[in-house]
Amino acid sequence: SQQGEEDPQALSIQEGENATMNCSYKTSINNLQWYRQNSGRGLVHLILIRSNEREKHSGRLRVTLDTSKKSSSLLITASRAADTASYFCATEQNNDMRFGAGTRLTVKP
Amino acid sequence: NAGVTQTPKFQVLKTGQSMTLQCAQDMNHNSMYWYRQDPGMGLRLIYYSASEGTTDKGEVPNGYNVSRLNKREFSLRLESAAPSQTSVYFCASRGRDRAYNSPLHFGNGTRLTVT
Repeated sequence: SQQGEEDPQALSIQEGENATMNCSYKTSINNLQWYRQNSGRGLVHLILIRSNEREKHSGRLRVTLDTSKKSSSLLITASRAADTASYFCATEQNNDMRFGAGTRLTVKP
Repeated sequence: NAGVTQTPKFQVLKTGQSMTLQCAQDMNHNSMYWYRQDPGMGLRLIYYSASEGTTDKGEVPNGYNVSRLNKREFSLRLESAAPSQTSVYFCASRGRDRAYNSPLHFGNGTRLTVT
């Protein structure tokens, strides 16, 4: 079964608003990663957070990790229409990388 | 700078036919992966190869075989295609020195339809 589960399944916001996506997982992990997928393309890596880290930033992205709750969140600030895509979390356990079903984000101009 | 290259981009098979999906990476990565993506299911891991000469099953290996031909290439074979294998297949690689805590680099996928 899939390791990560994203919530919500779909999110629609206006340009300039913030978008928050959540990911829950089931077993212990080495790290958790977030990826983005534009329609018809492969996934692109956004950010990686290790199991001993609690928060990480990259540009307009902020990721948190709570290993006690087995959950992570991805915050995109000041969203743009170009952020419209599907976002996936992936968990690693000893080279085995598993993905969730993703959150479909639509940013309206 | 090609990254991860998958061939073919599209394929239509009849039930029972066989085919091999090819994947090659030019980043000197140690680990390579095959995933399938179905609507509403996200990506599911079929097989992975942590290093040249090793392969391991993922969560949905039935109906597939893999070969890590060398460090660059990792192929996925369908011996007898079934309609349930209609999907988009993605190859990915990662890790020059060590795979742990390194991101995956994906190809652009192979769209396979089995009729």
